[in-house]
Amino acid sequence: DQQVKQNSPSLSVQEGRISILNCDYTNSMFDYFLWYKKYPAEGPTFLISISSIKDKNEDGRFTVFLNKSAKHLSLHIVPSQPGDSAVYFCAASAGGNTPLVFGKGTRLSVIA
Amino acid sequence: IAGITQAPTSQILAAGRRMTLRCTQDMRHNAMYWYRQDLGLGLRLIHYSNTAGTTGKGEVPDGYSVSRANTDDFPLTLASAVPSQTSVYFCASSAQRNTEAFFGQGTRLTVV
Repeated sequence: DQQVKQNSPSLSVQEGRISILNCDYTNSMFDYFLWYKKYPAEGPTFLISISSIKDKNEDGRFTVFLNKSAKHLSLHIVPSQPGDSAVYFCAASAGGNTPLVFGKGTRLSVIA
Repeated sequence: IAGITQAPTSQILAAGRRMTLRCTQDMRHNAMYWYRQDLGLGLRLIHYSNTAGTTGKGEVPDGYSVSRANTDDFPLTLASAVPSQTSVYFCASSAQRNTEAFFGQGTRLTVV
């Protein structure tokens, strides 16, 4: 049973437009959510996070929105750039010392 | 440069052989993790350790073992490799709960 779901395996966006990556979760104990970016042949790198006490967190071109009632979060990238082309993983953590649970990832392609 | 070092970067291994993937971090993080990444399946947790001397099972622990003798090192052992263990393996660490995990560059393992 997948606790973190990224239902879109891939997404293509034109350069300069907004990219919206979506993530749903089922475990109501999750209280911390993260997005990671992964390039081929590299390890995932942390992008942005949000605590369950917030509904929005912004860092430059990246904004994460959290809708707890819908158990849904999204990552907005605006404007999208070709260097943003990568696989994006959504991850979540519950209370205590539980490890991160990852979604299957969404491959973003930003077309120049 | 501070971070996580994994070795080897890649390996071809005969089925039935024993193999240890090495992971070392110099950030003095308490928690360490091993994930495997497979196409279409995202990142799945194999084993984790919240602190030196303790370990726990993740989502896909069968066929793998770990040890955490000290803070810095978290080796992953395949006692008798099978082709289904062909994957890219990522080691990660985090300082405490609700902080981001930092990932190594990965080990690409092919079992033939």
